[in-house]
Amino acid sequence: GNSVTQMEGPVTLSEEAFLTINCTYTATGYPSLFWYVQYPGEGLQLLLKATKADDKGSNKGFEATYRKETTSFHLEKGSVQVSDSAVYFCALRGMNYGGSQGNLIFGKGTKLSVKP
Amino acid sequence: DSGVTQTPKHLITATGQRVTLRCSPRSGDLSVYWYQQSLDQGLQFLIQYYNGEERAKGNILERFSAQQFPDLHSELNLSSLELGDSALYFCASSVESGYEQYFGPGTRLTVT
Repeated sequence: GNSVTQMEGPVTLSEEAFLTINCTYTATGYPSLFWYVQYPGEGLQLLLKATKADDKGSNKGFEATYRKETTSFHLEKGSVQVSDSAVYFCALRGMNYGGSQGNLIFGKGTKLSVKP
Repeated sequence: DSGVTQTPKHLITATGQRVTLRCSPRSGDLSVYWYQQSLDQGLQFLIQYYNGEERAKGNILERFSAQQFPDLHSELNLSSLELGDSALYFCASSVESGYEQYFGPGTRLTVT
């Protein structure tokens, strides 16, 4: 079945450091891929998405590229801020014969702490 | 603010009890999803409804059930509660399957 694996946290960085959070997936067909962010005490917010191979999603300085050959969707940011401290979830939405499935399948989440 | 509301925000109850969690989707969204977030299992999909009908089922226990009403709000019923049911329960909504999901703030359930 479909699954998502992302790097275990926590990840602690200094402000302005480069961020990479690895995410790989297993899925049949052509899933859509997402990164969600969860700030303390809040629900999940969509950060970025990519719906086909080689698509690059970007938002708020974060980027991720849908790599079908390596089944990966790694999250990157060139210079993190204290306000980026949160839990980041990689997710996929699968495809079936009827079209796009509805539900999301999430990785375990990676907690990022950015120190000033 | 995603536009999805969930009540209550916190719920503390005892083992063996039954609780109901409520979700109101964003205006115009016909599909509602329920997810459970726990420390050991992570974020798991429970069930999806579309315009009042069950659309997809995930890892939902038989002790749990859900429904979506004509006004499109949804309720998740959890019965014969066990300590392991303690978790954050999120509701999300979307216009239709395959469209962006918007998440509510969650209901934190603590079973003692």
